[in-house]
Amino acid sequence: QQQVKQSPQSLIVQKGGISIINCAYENTAFDYFPWYQQFPGKGPALLIAIRPDVSEKKEGRFTISFNKSAKQFSLHIMDSQPGDSATYFCAASLNTGGFKTIFGAGTRLFVKA
Amino acid sequence: EPEVTQTPSHQVTQMGQEVILRCVPISNHLYFYWYRQILGQKVEFLVSFYNNEISEKSEIFDDQFSVERPDGSNFTLKIRSTKLEDSAMYFCASSDGSQGANYGYTFGSGTRLTVV
Repeated sequence: QQQVKQSPQSLIVQKGGISIINCAYENTAFDYFPWYQQFPGKGPALLIAIRPDVSEKKEGRFTISFNKSAKQFSLHIMDSQPGDSATYFCAASLNTGGFKTIFGAGTRLFVKA
Repeated sequence: EPEVTQTPSHQVTQMGQEVILRCVPISNHLYFYWYRQILGQKVEFLVSFYNNEISEKSEIFDDQFSVERPDGSNFTLKIRSTKLEDSAMYFCASSDGSQGANYGYTFGSGTRLTVV
C-alpha cells in the first residue's frame, strides 16, 4: 500500500492557536516524511521533513511528531498566523526501486485574524 | 534562491493535440520529476528521471506521455494526444540528491494545462 492518508481536509484556527494536521501510512519501506506548504497559484514548497529514526523535529513554529509503531505522523503549527493560511500536504518517500514521493490529499488551513 | 522555472504558465490545447511542457531545473540538481494536480486535489506522481533515463513512472504515465532532457538544462514532458482528463496543473520538481533522491524537492510554479 503506497497511500498516505491525511486529515482533516480543512481546518480553521484562531490567530495564535495551534494547528494540527495528521497523516498515516501503510508501507514501512517509506524512509522520509516531508511536509509541503502550497499557496494558491504556486508549487508546493518544502516546509519541514523527518526520517523514521527520529520521533520529533522542530523548526521554528513548525514541529513534526512521528510515531513509527503506529505509522502516523503529524504537523503542529504553534502560534498560527494568518500568513500560514495555505494548503499543507504530508508526503512519504521511497528511495528504493525508483524515486518517488507520495502525497496526502492536502489540508486547507485558514487562520482567522 | 535558485528556482525551478516552468513554461508556459498556462497552455490551452485542443483535444488530440500534442503539447510539450518545459522545465528548467536547478542547475546542480540530478533528479527530476513531473507531478500533476487536478484542481483542488492531491499532488500525483507521474515520473522520476535520473541519469538520462526514467527511474520510475506511475500508472498515469502511459504511452501518451514521454520525458526528455534534450540539452542538459531543459526537462520536458510531452503529451502526444491530449484528452480532456489531462487538464491539470503540471509541476516539475528537482532535487540535488545530496541526502538521497527524494530528500526535499524544489517545485516550479507549474503549468496549467487546459484541454478543450
